[in-house]
Amino acid sequence: EAQVTQNPRYLITVTGKKLTVTCSQNMNHEYMSWYRQDPGLGLRQIYYSMNVEVTDKGDVPEGYKVSRKEKRNFPLILESPSPNQTSLYFCASSPAGGGTEAFFGQGTRLTVV
Amino acid sequence: TQLLEQSPQFLSIQEGENLTVYCNSSSVFSSLQWYRQEPGEGPVLLVTVVTGGEVKKLKRLTFQFGDARKDSSLHITAAQPGDTGLYLCMTTDSWGKLQFGAGTQVVVTP
Repeated sequence: EAQVTQNPRYLITVTGKKLTVTCSQNMNHEYMSWYRQDPGLGLRQIYYSMNVEVTDKGDVPEGYKVSRKEKRNFPLILESPSPNQTSLYFCASSPAGGGTEAFFGQGTRLTVV
Repeated sequence: TQLLEQSPQFLSIQEGENLTVYCNSSSVFSSLQWYRQEPGEGPVLLVTVVTGGEVKKLKRLTFQFGDARKDSSLHITAAQPGDTGLYLCMTTDSWGKLQFGAGTQVVVTP
């Protein structure tokens, strides 16, 4: 079954404690990206990757890091989380070339206290 | 950068009423997708439209793609409470970068 798997689904952490949210896809997609979704602000892109070892900043990259060492995995790293990073996060993957469906993970609800 | 303007932002209707959501851009789309998102879940694809003037139906949902491929609409006939959700239009550029409309929150009350 084609899917994007995010973990964990829910996470409560304290300010400054490094965390990683994992994202894995089984469709051999080139393009992967991370979004945060906040009330009234829609889906905002954090980082994206067009292929292995190719990553770039999205619209709201501050406070986040990513890596793309393998095609299937695209982890989101918060080195020193702060309360303003409390949000609902989504990972997505899609084939390169545009005009195609994107697949989304189930989401990660992060609370930073 | 292709900007997707989605309207309205919020729709609250009674069960049985009809509704329409719009997605517009000043640029031509190669294709456009409509997604529905339930609270706390990831967006789920409803339809992809590709050809100008195309009309697709999914039960009580009708999707139209403008002749010039710059706009699209989603029409729900006789809405039901199960249609409640956030509706998002989305397109991808030639690199595969996803671009979203701001979303339309639809609430259908019994």
